Amino acid sequence: NAGVTQTPKFRVLKTGQSMTLLCAQDMNHEYMYWYRQDPGMGLRLIHYSVGEGTTAKGEVPDGYNVSRLKKQNFLLGLESAAPSQTSVYFCASSYWTGGYGYTFGSGTRLTVV
Amino acid sequence: DQQVKQNSPSLSVQEGRISILNCDYTNSMFDYFLWYKKYPAEGPTFLISISSIKDKNEDGRFTVFLNKSAKHLSLHIVPSQPGDSAVYFCAANNAGNMLTFGGGTRLMVKP
Repeated sequence: NAGVTQTPKFRVLKTGQSMTLLCAQDMNHEYMYWYRQDPGMGLRLIHYSVGEGTTAKGEVPDGYNVSRLKKQNFLLGLESAAPSQTSVYFCASSYWTGGYGYTFGSGTRLTVV
Repeated sequence: DQQVKQNSPSLSVQEGRISILNCDYTNSMFDYFLWYKKYPAEGPTFLISISSIKDKNEDGRFTVFLNKSAKHLSLHIVPSQPGDSAVYFCAANNAGNMLTFGGGTRLMVKP
């Protein structure tokens, strides 16, 4: 019963370093999303994908890139990390949102120093 | 410009009493509203939803009320239990399949 798996769970980066967060789902969902959670700001959408090979910008896309080469995987990249990207990142997937919402991963806590 | 707002960052309730969590929205095009529950170090999990054509949906101890004229929804938990202590996010859906989340309310249920 894996659902949505995120790796890594924790990471500390130095300013200017790059990294990739991996999200994998085993539910054959078409839609996948990357959110960041910051205190008092709730969950804000970074990028999303409506199917394999597609990506689109969300509410706060600057400083991030994504790729969906395989239906089950959605990668979030930080090319040059900044302290403002210190956050908890959540990946989610769904068939559709009409009443059942998303299945979330357990999150990646990223600190940029 | 937050389209979904939860104005109370925290709420403390005694075990057995009612918990009422509130959410306001500005976009009249939202057609579905959802509540998610989040424990520390875990991802949010879906709790209950309501369509914009309804004004109430009930699931066990959880009831969501929607007041479209006021653009307001609320989640009632009766009776509240210590295991309900978590952060609750209100979310709204538009036809584009994107969820917009509120800032969350931390509920603490005291034994």
